[in-house]
Amino acid sequence: DAKTTQPPSMDCAEGRAANLPCNHSTISGNEYVYWYRQIHSQGPQYIIHGLKNNETNEMASLIITEDRKSSTLILPHATLRDTAVYYCIVRSRSNDYKLSFGAGTTVTVRA
Amino acid sequence: DAGVIQSPRHEVTEMGQEVTLRCKPISGHNSLFWYRQTMMRGLELLIYFNNNVPIDDSGMPEDRFSAKMPNASFSTLKIQPSEPRDSAVYFCASSPALPQWGEGQPQHFGDGTRLSIL
Repeated sequence: DAKTTQPPSMDCAEGRAANLPCNHSTISGNEYVYWYRQIHSQGPQYIIHGLKNNETNEMASLIITEDRKSSTLILPHATLRDTAVYYCIVRSRSNDYKLSFGAGTTVTVRA
Repeated sequence: DAGVIQSPRHEVTEMGQEVTLRCKPISGHNSLFWYRQTMMRGLELLIYFNNNVPIDDSGMPEDRFSAKMPNASFSTLKIQPSEPRDSAVYFCASSPALPQWGEGQPQHFGDGTRLSIL
């Protein structure tokens, strides 16, 4: 299974864009990149996923490099409510229903 | 639309007691998952159902844990007898269908049951 590497923490100013990096250098061709977040005392929340093309939805944008070895989640205008732990996950090929949550990146949005 | 609903939100009980956690998945979702989250081990998948049938229970810690899905709109996770080391937050999640290899089917999580065994 492809492993992911994320910085343990980062700060962001309210109203500014938050760019969250993720390395997944061993990703296979058919594996998707998923992003989830977990706000304190809540369940993980699905944000976005992608295969090779950049993706955008109402919550965020996902930029995947051409070689697919890394990606960046972009929160365009961070708010205090975006403070959470963000998880970058690569879906397993052999057990593709399993989500392996690592330590993630703790994002703190400051006023 | 209503999300995944779990009950109770909090449960405190004494060691040796039976504990039953409940989950109502999102209507129309075919897959249901039970996870456990602790500080030490993070989020762990316990069991996965597809169309009400258990597909993978390899994450269930031991025989004291059991899970059922009698119909498409209800699942339970039972611990009997409970032990202090079972204290954790238990999450239920559902997704629209059995994921095809390589395709994306996001899982939608409930807000969990915080379980404390004294």
